[in-house]
Amino acid sequence: DAGVIQSPRHEVTEMGQEVTLRCKPISGHNSLFWYRQTMMRGLELLIYFNNNVPIDDSGMPEDRFSAKMPNASFSTLKIQPSEPRDSAVYFCASSPGVGPYEQYFGPGTRLTVT
Amino acid sequence: RKEVEQDPGPFNVPEGATVAFNCTYSNSASQSFFWYRQDCRKEPKLLMSVYSSGNEDGRFTAQLNRASQYISLLIRDSKLSDSATYLCVVNIAAGNKLTFGGGTRVLVKP
Repeated sequence: DAGVIQSPRHEVTEMGQEVTLRCKPISGHNSLFWYRQTMMRGLELLIYFNNNVPIDDSGMPEDRFSAKMPNASFSTLKIQPSEPRDSAVYFCASSPGVGPYEQYFGPGTRLTVT
Repeated sequence: RKEVEQDPGPFNVPEGATVAFNCTYSNSASQSFFWYRQDCRKEPKLLMSVYSSGNEDGRFTAQLNRASQYISLLIRDSKLSDSATYLCVVNIAAGNKLTFGGGTRVLVKP
């Protein structure tokens, strides 16, 4: 079985550009999570979806960030416009149910905004 | 105060030795607890869940102390491959939102 798939694995962009990160959760999983990890702040939950519906977006830093889950097999996290302080590793994770189940993480997207 | 706090380390451990470290959580209503492991430049992966009665998985033992609001992880007979960052994870509210601690770095040396 394929794990969580994220693309791109690395992204380097200039300040002000739009960035779109993509995630394909494990087939059959009902919940999807977007995290951001930095040395300073650790692993932070940005937003999560249950059955394709956004449940909690309180971790989204500001209006420049948006996330969608149009179907059970695809989600995007968009940053527009990007800023240097957005540089981080962005992880997508999925879990099989609506509850405190194990979360399976993708390999992450390492974003650098110059 | 952070919801989940950990000593960042690093804990430098001789190969074969035992190492233990704790994690404290601030919300007494926390319901589920986990330890995740993260290797350098890799994604976090579940190491083990932590049950109220404590649980063991091979060389790893996890304990929960609800009265003092901490969980612990003990690694026996440390291997070089145990070198990683160990993330304490708490489910604070109903639902599936998990809160991660900052991680404890463990370095096992020959």
